[in-house]
Amino acid sequence: DGGITQSPKYLFRKEGQNVTLSCEQNLNHDAMYWYRQDPGQGLRLIYYSQIVNDFQKGDIAEGYSVSREKKESFPLTVTSAQKNPTAFYLCASTPQGQGTLHFGNGTRLTVT
Amino acid sequence: ELKVEQNPLFLSMQEGKNYTIYCNYSTTSDRLYWYRQDPGKSLESLFVLLSNGAVKQEGRLMASLDTKARLSTLHITAAVHDLSATYFCAVDGGAQKLVFGQGTRLTINP
Repeated sequence: DGGITQSPKYLFRKEGQNVTLSCEQNLNHDAMYWYRQDPGQGLRLIYYSQIVNDFQKGDIAEGYSVSREKKESFPLTVTSAQKNPTAFYLCASTPQGQGTLHFGNGTRLTVT
Repeated sequence: ELKVEQNPLFLSMQEGKNYTIYCNYSTTSDRLYWYRQDPGKSLESLFVLLSNGAVKQEGRLMASLDTKARLSTLHITAAVHDLSATYFCAVDGGAQKLVFGQGTRLTINP
């Protein structure tokens, strides 16, 4: 079955360490997105990519980096520059021009 | 800058009752989405509304869109416990970037 796979489901890191969250999709979707969700809040866009080897900053890109070397993969690195990285991270994808996002199951990152 | 606001943010209701969640947005858009999220889970797409006056229904949920008023509603009819979840609306801010509301946490009590 097609879908979006995020790994790991839970991730624990010490402050000051970079960490990379994985997102893989086999839906043949062109566009991929990373959102952050904090407790009791909506989703905020971190980065998005509409084609391979291209990506744009979202509303809260500071302290994060991404790459899009393959259509299927859009990993997110949370760097030590991100001041408050503990959150639930959701990856999503959509066919170009369609709009409806398909979400992965999320990665819950805890930094202490 | 596009802003999306939902109300209420918390809603506790009894089974069998009807209620409506409201989603207001600040700038013109021609696409609005409703999603459902269960605790600790990802988001599930419910509806996409593409034009003024659009109405979509699935079971006990019905969504509508008024682009002139920049308002969408999600109406729950004869609520059942299984509908307890957090509901988000999201508006297309251009380039397929969705801007989400804060979410409405709905609790339906037996």
